[in-house]
Amino acid sequence: AQSVTQLDSQVPVFEEAPVELRCNYSSSVSVYLFWYVQYPNQGLQLLLKYLSGSTLVESINGFEAEFNKSQTSFHLRKPSVHISDTAEYFCAVRRAGGTSYGKLTFGQGTILTVHP
Amino acid sequence: EAGVTQFPSHSVIEKGQTVTLRCDPISGHDNLYWYRRVMGKEIKFLLHFVKESKQDESGMPNNRFLAERTGGTYSTLKVQPAELEDSGVYFCASSQVPNGELFFGEGSRLTVL
Repeated sequence: AQSVTQLDSQVPVFEEAPVELRCNYSSSVSVYLFWYVQYPNQGLQLLLKYLSGSTLVESINGFEAEFNKSQTSFHLRKPSVHISDTAEYFCAVRRAGGTSYGKLTFGQGTILTVHP
Repeated sequence: EAGVTQFPSHSVIEKGQTVTLRCDPISGHDNLYWYRRVMGKEIKFLLHFVKESKQDESGMPNNRFLAERTGGTYSTLKVQPAELEDSGVYFCASSQVPNGELFFGEGSRLTVL
């Protein structure tokens, strides 16, 4: 079984400041890692994912996350946030291979609030 | 192209009543998933359909929950009878291939009084 811990339930920041949303996971098998974002009144959207290869993955809107196997972490970072980044962010894992398909295990979510 | 749509967006019922939630996946997506987020907790997997067959229903909480996907198109999730602890947001997601990207709907918020 897998588990995901998002260390901060809420993160307030000012516009143009850097931000890091922390995610740690536990699993006895290899996993794929994901970050999803939910903007107000919308569904969850995939922000970025790590399946294999380079441990640093990037999104189209400036977020990046680094897979650290030794620390079992997949923290999400952005060097300069915008008001429009205000949303709830979810870290998730899925067993690599096997037949688990889209059975994701989510963290508790982190609400990012960007203030002007 | 339409995304995953869920209906109703919000339902308020009394304990003991029945509620049916509906999910229309993206056209052509054989894989359909139900997830639930109880207030303040993490989003949890409920079950996975491949076409009309239940591939994995290990997350269904108890026999008060019944999910169907007749014809392999839309899916319904019925809660009968509803209990207070069933309150939360029910998300539906679909994917084209088994390990493909999941596309989520906006969720159906269920409030049981």
